[in-house]
Amino acid sequence: DAGVTQSPTHLIKTRGQQVTLRCSPKSGHDTVSWYQQALGQGPQFIFQYYEEEERQRGNFPDRFSGHQFPNYSSELNVNALLLGDSALYLCASSRTGANYGYTFGSGTRLTVV
Amino acid sequence: AQSVAQPEDQVNVAEGNPLTVKCTYSVSGNPYLFWYVQYPNRGLQFLLKYITGDNLVKGSYGFEAEFNKSQTSFHLKKPSALVSDSALYFCAVRDDSGGGADGLTFGKGTHLIIQP
Repeated sequence: DAGVTQSPTHLIKTRGQQVTLRCSPKSGHDTVSWYQQALGQGPQFIFQYYEEEERQRGNFPDRFSGHQFPNYSSELNVNALLLGDSALYLCASSRTGANYGYTFGSGTRLTVV
Repeated sequence: AQSVAQPEDQVNVAEGNPLTVKCTYSVSGNPYLFWYVQYPNRGLQFLLKYITGDNLVKGSYGFEAEFNKSQTSFHLKKPSALVSDSALYFCAVRDDSGGGADGLTFGKGTHLIIQP
């Protein structure tokens, strides 16, 4: 049973560019959440998608946007990249109504230069 | 707003000794509490959770955690530490008032180092 799959694993972008990260949830899961983990910090909640809509959002600017597809996979888009956006981006999936089990992917390491 | 505090950046324990990693939380409603472990350049692995019920929760790899409502704490424990337990540990919380939305708030993490 595949867990959460994220792509790419590593990415280098230049300031001002745009980036798209992808996530396939664990089989049977319908909810996807995205987190940003800066070096030496705990993960910070960006937003959550359920039924193709953003259900909850953390304290992140509008440069961060997302999408969920009918097959429950998700994308995270970041526009106008800043050096401070360099981080490990984690995707977590869960099943609504289940006993709050979150499965995390291995993450995408984004470096902005 | 909800928050999590992990007061120790690093905990050092000799192999075979008991270990404790501390966590305190703040939420407006009833807490749902989690512990995750992270190995270098990896994602988060689930260890255990408290939703309701017994205050002592048993999880993966011999870890357990005790929920203490009066002290708003959820400390992670293991009776006998292994060198392979060395990793970064995160405590996380959310409350039960999200109406289905359930983004987690994480602590800053505690480095656990088990010395042979």
